[in-house]
Amino acid sequence: GAVVSQHPSWVICKSGTSVKIECRSLDFQATTMFWYRQFPKQSLMLMATSNEGSKATYEQGVEKDKFLINHASLTLSTLTVTSAHPEDSSFYICSARLQEHEQYFGPGTRLTVT
Amino acid sequence: GQNIDQPTEMTATEGAIVQINCTYQTSGFNGLFWYQQHAGEAPTFLSYNVLDGLEEKGRFSSFLSRSKGYSYLLLKELQMKDSASYLCAVLDSNYQLIWGAGTKLIIKP
Repeated sequence: GAVVSQHPSWVICKSGTSVKIECRSLDFQATTMFWYRQFPKQSLMLMATSNEGSKATYEQGVEKDKFLINHASLTLSTLTVTSAHPEDSSFYICSARLQEHEQYFGPGTRLTVT
Repeated sequence: GQNIDQPTEMTATEGAIVQINCTYQTSGFNGLFWYQQHAGEAPTFLSYNVLDGLEEKGRFSSFLSRSKGYSYLLLKELQMKDSASYLCAVLDSNYQLIWGAGTKLIIKP
């Protein structure tokens, strides 16, 4: 149990376009999901906390107008990278909270912006 | 501020034992996690400690001392597949995970 999926697993897009990444909790409901970004050889960096039915809470330095988060249901959160640029190329990972100390990660989405 | 420290890189020999340390200073404490992350993959859960002491799970054990703000992950009978990054993370008073930078473990034959 406690499986989280992400789609797509990898995507290549052109600079200036937008990309949507989906995060789904497959066998549990998650009121809270988290979006992380990880650059090569660096640790996870929390971008935002997504709460079902309300606005996401963004970490300092993360542009909310560039990284749009929608958590419209208890099993789905989406991250849209708008007007992507090469510096947005990264590994994006979501996680879903089952209980306060239980958090499960999706497999990640590798975004390459050319 | 909140801070989690762990060594950047460690090297060990196949079949041996290695201990990866983690020290933390956080606003509140609701548990400490260890995750394993292979290159290009998402982290996978290894252990969760909220009380002091040693938790053993197969070849992996995790220890916590809340008074010292200290934890370690002990890996026994090392296998080549254990080569990965090991991430220490603390759940703070707001139930947010605070992440360490990770320890890259290199296993040599």
